Amino acid sequence: EPEVTQTPSHQVTQMGQEVILRCVPISNHLYFYWYRQILGQKVEFLVSFYNNEISEKSEIFDDQFSVERPDGSNFTLKIRSTKLEDSAMYFCASSEEGQGNEQFFGPGTRLTVL
Amino acid sequence: GESVGLHLPTLSVQEGDNSIINCAYSNSASDYFIWYKQESGKGPQFIIDIRSNMDKRQGQRVTVLLNKTVKHLSLQIAATQPGDSAVYFCAENLVNTDKLIFGTGTRLQVFP
Repeated sequence: EPEVTQTPSHQVTQMGQEVILRCVPISNHLYFYWYRQILGQKVEFLVSFYNNEISEKSEIFDDQFSVERPDGSNFTLKIRSTKLEDSAMYFCASSEEGQGNEQFFGPGTRLTVL
Repeated sequence: GESVGLHLPTLSVQEGDNSIINCAYSNSASDYFIWYKQESGKGPQFIIDIRSNMDKRQGQRVTVLLNKTVKHLSLQIAATQPGDSAVYFCAENLVNTDKLIFGTGTRLQVFP
């Protein structure tokens, strides 16, 4: 069964450093998403991406965040200068279509900012 | 405003019993709802979904009920098994947006 994969599973970084979280969405999916989950809290939407551009983003997704689909398979989330409060689980998701369609989630990357 | 909340943060049931997990949503513009299961250290796993033109949808051992009048969603799990132990999230999808809005989650604990 096709699945969303993410690397690394755990990333530890120093405050102020740049990190890139990587995702490989399901191959025939056209819509891609990043969500985050701070420990013990609910899952929060960050950004959606379709047709090589951001279709929607939340207030969390400020200028420190960017997304990219550098090739036909990868989807990345970059945080330019990490802050302590960026520590969270980051989930990538993908769907065949947009609104009203099941989003398949990856296993997540745990980001720890020291 | 946008909010999806859960009434019970923790639900403990005995193996073999039925479980009911509840969710309240506040946005009448939502037309698609999903229940996800999240096991420790893993990503959300799709369980079942329902569109706003339906009141009930059944899957294997799971049933989702939607009451649009009171903006209430529930997940029923029949013959709960130890493998059902996890945190369950409801999520809503508003019309004209791709993002999912998640609730706070209910932890389901199944005892033998």
